Amino acid sequence: QKEVEQNSGPLSVPEGAIASLNCTYSDRGSQSFFWYRQYSGKSPELIMSIYSNGDKEDGRFTAQLNKASQYVSLLIRDSQPSDSATYLCAVYTGANSKLTFGKGITLSVRP
Amino acid sequence: GAVVSQHPSRVICKSGTSVKIECRSLDFQATTMFWYRQFPKQSLMLMATSNEGSKATYEQGVEKDKFLINHASLTLSTLTVTSAHPEDSSFYICSAVSNQPQHFGDGTRLSIL
Repeated sequence: QKEVEQNSGPLSVPEGAIASLNCTYSDRGSQSFFWYRQYSGKSPELIMSIYSNGDKEDGRFTAQLNKASQYVSLLIRDSQPSDSATYLCAVYTGANSKLTFGKGITLSVRP
Repeated sequence: GAVVSQHPSRVICKSGTSVKIECRSLDFQATTMFWYRQFPKQSLMLMATSNEGSKATYEQGVEKDKFLINHASLTLSTLTVTSAHPEDSSFYICSAVSNQPQHFGDGTRLSIL
């Protein structure tokens, strides 16, 4: 069974710190990797996608992918209270356009 | 960016009522749409995969006669919760995809009294 695992939370960091969110996946055939942010009571919002090994930066967000080790991470630099949300890791294996989601980790940024 | 519209955003109705939720991709043609359900403080649960012009594929444990899905065009899918009961109260979210990634609608909060 294809699985996506995320660190159990919640994660709490002070404002201005770096938040590091990790995710591992079981299917070596996975092709695409996504991070979604979900605020309480809202639907998920795509914040990062990564398709090849290495780092991808977008503003304060950096996604890192290591296919050999089967992990993908999200770094949030200069964390802000507005970053407080649940972050979902999602993996696409190429079957039926389905994404496999992790359970999510709740991040709390303390002012 | 890709926009997915979901309507209505909130429904409150009596037990036994059937409720229809619409999901539209506004600026792209979605080859596939997905319907998810999310209970409070829990993760997304995929209910079904919907492809235009064909029958939806339901996940294990999801009653296809209870949750009717119609995908009439490449931009519209509907989910009808038939004879809804209080245990069907949840946050229902659709997503649409052409090429990855999936883009989510704003969700529908369904409350059955």
